Amino acid sequence: DGGITQSPKYLFRKEGQNVTLSCEQNLNHDAMYWYRQDPGQGLRLIYYSQIVNDFQKGDIAEGYSVSREKKESFPLTVTSAQKNPTAFYLCASSVGVQETQYFGPGTRLLVL
Amino acid sequence: AQTVTQSQPEMSVQEAETVTLSCTYDTSESDYYLFWYKQPPSRQMILVIRQEAYKQQNATENRFSVNFQKAAKSFSLKISDSQLGDAAMYFCAYRSAFGNEKLTFGTGTRLTIIP
Repeated sequence: DGGITQSPKYLFRKEGQNVTLSCEQNLNHDAMYWYRQDPGQGLRLIYYSQIVNDFQKGDIAEGYSVSREKKESFPLTVTSAQKNPTAFYLCASSVGVQETQYFGPGTRLLVL
Repeated sequence: AQTVTQSQPEMSVQEAETVTLSCTYDTSESDYYLFWYKQPPSRQMILVIRQEAYKQQNATENRFSVNFQKAAKSFSLKISDSQLGDAAMYFCAYRSAFGNEKLTFGTGTRLTIIP
């Protein structure tokens, strides 16, 4: 089955801790994206990557970091610099940056 | 900057009836893409329908169709023969056709289906 997987489904972060959210796709898509969703709001772009070893900041990149070492994988690290990390995080991918984006099931991040 | 507005936070419809969800957007660009995504309680975003701005014909996908009015910058979603499984949050989204990879989302409309 082709698709996008995200893990874990729920993640708890302690104060001052960095945590990493996983996103994997087997669709052979070149482009991958990370979005954040807060209650009552639409999605906002954190980072995106058009190809391996390249990524760009989105609208709300502060406090986050990413890597793109493999085509299939685009992990997101929420650093301690992100002061309000509690949100729902969605990963997406597309064949190319001009193509339709398809989403994974999401990760819910909560701060202890 | 582009903005997307969904003015109906909540809508409800009787099962088997038709409902229309509204979306307006603001852009100075001439070529772009518009999308409707559905987010059920599982919270996964599912593509419902896509419209290219250069196409005059309104997109249709089974029971889902859009009314795209480019001059009015309006992009409404019509759901015919509503089913219980249609209950979800619906998000309208915009993307430029000129190298801007970002999807700009509206705040969503929560659709309830009344049995």
